[in-house]
Amino acid sequence: DAGVTQSPTHLIKTRGQHVTLRCSPISGHKSVSWYQQVLGQGPQFIFQYYEKEERGRGNFPDRFSARQFPNYSSELNVNALLLGDSALYLCASSSGLAHTEAFFGQGTRLTVV
Amino acid sequence: AQSVTQLDSQVPVLEEAPVELRCNYSSSVSVYLFWYVQYPNQGLQLLLKYLSGSTLVESINGFEAEFNKSQTSFHLRKPSVHISDTAEYFCAVSDTENYGQNFVFGPGTRLSVLP
Repeated sequence: DAGVTQSPTHLIKTRGQHVTLRCSPISGHKSVSWYQQVLGQGPQFIFQYYEKEERGRGNFPDRFSARQFPNYSSELNVNALLLGDSALYLCASSSGLAHTEAFFGQGTRLTVV
Repeated sequence: AQSVTQLDSQVPVLEEAPVELRCNYSSSVSVYLFWYVQYPNQGLQLLLKYLSGSTLVESINGFEAEFNKSQTSFHLRKPSVHISDTAEYFCAVSDTENYGQNFVFGPGTRLSVLP
């Protein structure tokens, strides 16, 4: 069975541009959460979606948005990119809202120049 | 709100030596505790977790952690490390509702196993 898949694996963008990151959860999982991991730090929660509805939002500006599709895949969008948005973006998949059985993808490495 | 402290940012250790990675947390409510491992250029993998019951939890690759409520700690230990254990280790805590927004990671400890 495929695990959590994220695309692209690496991305370079210029300041002010927009970026879309994608995540496909494990088959049967209905919850997707997004985390930002800045170099040298632990992951920080951005969003959780469950059954296509937003169920949690971290302390991130409105430039960050996300959505979940009927097949439970998800997109994370970031507008007006800043240098500080450079990070590894991780997607976590779980069958329900709880993270006791969450599985993480390999992440998307975003570099803003 | 919960918080996690991992006092050691880097831990070098010789192969086959024992290791302890420290994790302390702060919370006003009951918590679940986790250790994740991150190998270079990869995502996070769950190593072990404490939800309830026995305060000593073990992983399949020889790591163990003990939940100490009085000291608010969840230190990770392994009696004999291998080169392949070289990775970043993250302690995480959540309240018992355990939703994503309640999941807080520590800053991580980089374990380097030297030959």
